[in-house]
This record gives sequence, C-alpha cells and structure tokens, in this order.
Amino acid sequence: SQTIHQWPATLVQPVGSPLSLECTVEGTSNPNLYWYRQAAGRGLQLLFYSVGIGQISSEVPQNLSASRPQDWQFILSSKKLLLSDSGFYLCAWSSLGGFRDTQYFGPGTRLTVL
Amino acid sequence: RKEVEQDPGPFNVPEGATVAFNCTYSNSASQSFFWYRQDCRKEPKLLMSVYSSGNEDGRFTAQLNRASQYISLLIRDSKLSDSATYLCVVPGYYGGSQGNLIFGKGTKLSVKP
Repeated sequence: SQTIHQWPATLVQPVGSPLSLECTVEGTSNPNLYWYRQAAGRGLQLLFYSVGIGQISSEVPQNLSASRPQDWQFILSSKKLLLSDSGFYLCAWSSLGGFRDTQYFGPGTRLTVL
Repeated sequence: RKEVEQDPGPFNVPEGATVAFNCTYSNSASQSFFWYRQDCRKEPKLLMSVYSSGNEDGRFTAQLNRASQYISLLIRDSKLSDSATYLCVVPGYYGGSQGNLIFGKGTKLSVKP
C-alpha cells in the first residue's frame, strides 16, 4: 500500500532563517506530487506540483521553492522565511492524473515563523 | 461565481440528526468531485468521490446537480465522531494531466451529545 511521510511535524523558525521540509512517498512509482499551504482559518492553497523528477510548476509567486531530486522525494525550501510563511504545509500525491485524480495527503508540517 | 464556494458554518447539530452541506462550483466542464474530511490540526482525508449523479456510502450520500452546478453531502444519524470540517473539492480543469484540484474553505460540523 502507498504511504506518504512528512517531517518535521512541527517547526518554529525565526524570520529570515532558511527552511527545508521533506516529503517522501512509498509504494507507488512516478506519482504526481503537490505542496499546499493552509493558513489559519483559510482554505488550502496549491504552492507547487511536480509530474516527475526535476519537473516543478509553481502556482503562486512567493519566496518558497520546491525540488524533486528523486521520484519519491519532494522538498520545499526557503532561503529567508517571512512572517507570512507561517501555516500548515501539506504534501500530497496522486497517481492517475486527469479528471478522476484523487489526492492523498501526508500528515503535514505546522510552521510558525516568529 | 467563485471556483468553489461552501457555507463555512459552523453547523451545530445533536447526535442522530441529519445534516446537509452544499457546495457550488464555477467550472461547468468539471467531471469529478470529491468530499474530504479534515479533523482539527490534521490533514484532509478523502471521504467520497462523486463521478456521476451521486454516491452513497453508509450514512453518507453525495449528490451532484450539474445543471445548477452544485454538489451536496448528506450525513444521516450524525455521530459525535462526525465532528470535523468538510471540504468540497473540484478539479481545476477538465482532462488536465496534472490533476490539480480546487479546495473549498470547508464547512465545519459540530455534533453535540
């Protein structure tokens, strides 16, 4: 069966510090991978998606970046965090693509920037 | 019309009640829809998929009205454990290989004893 992992679960970082969040998927090959952010009291915002190694698409301009060095690995990074980067970061995967696609989420990383 | 719109609630209902949530969407070409459940401070989890006119799974029924562009989720015989936020989800566009989904902001349900 497929499983998705994220770490760390919780993170508190000062403004201006770097960030690296990792997501890994097991039990499936060539998944589509996604990074979402959910700010307090708001809906999920798609940040990045990837259809393969080294292929990253960004949905919104921001000071975050993403990379996919392995088929099963998706990394979210920032060189300098802003207060507005606080939120609940969720990684998701899907396999089929197209209009019947279902996305499955990892447990998330709760980031607080102080 | 917004891409996906839901009544934020909260819906406060007693145990055993029947409750219904509605969700409207703007993309008339959308072919499949989803309801996710999100518990407080947890990740969203798939509750139901809706590909045709509707879907039923135990106490949960999802219905789709393409003409009016809305989907609904009906929960019968509510349990305390049903308390959560329910997210309506629509594909961002039809047939796209990336399968991007648009998530509603969710409807919060609180079931009381």
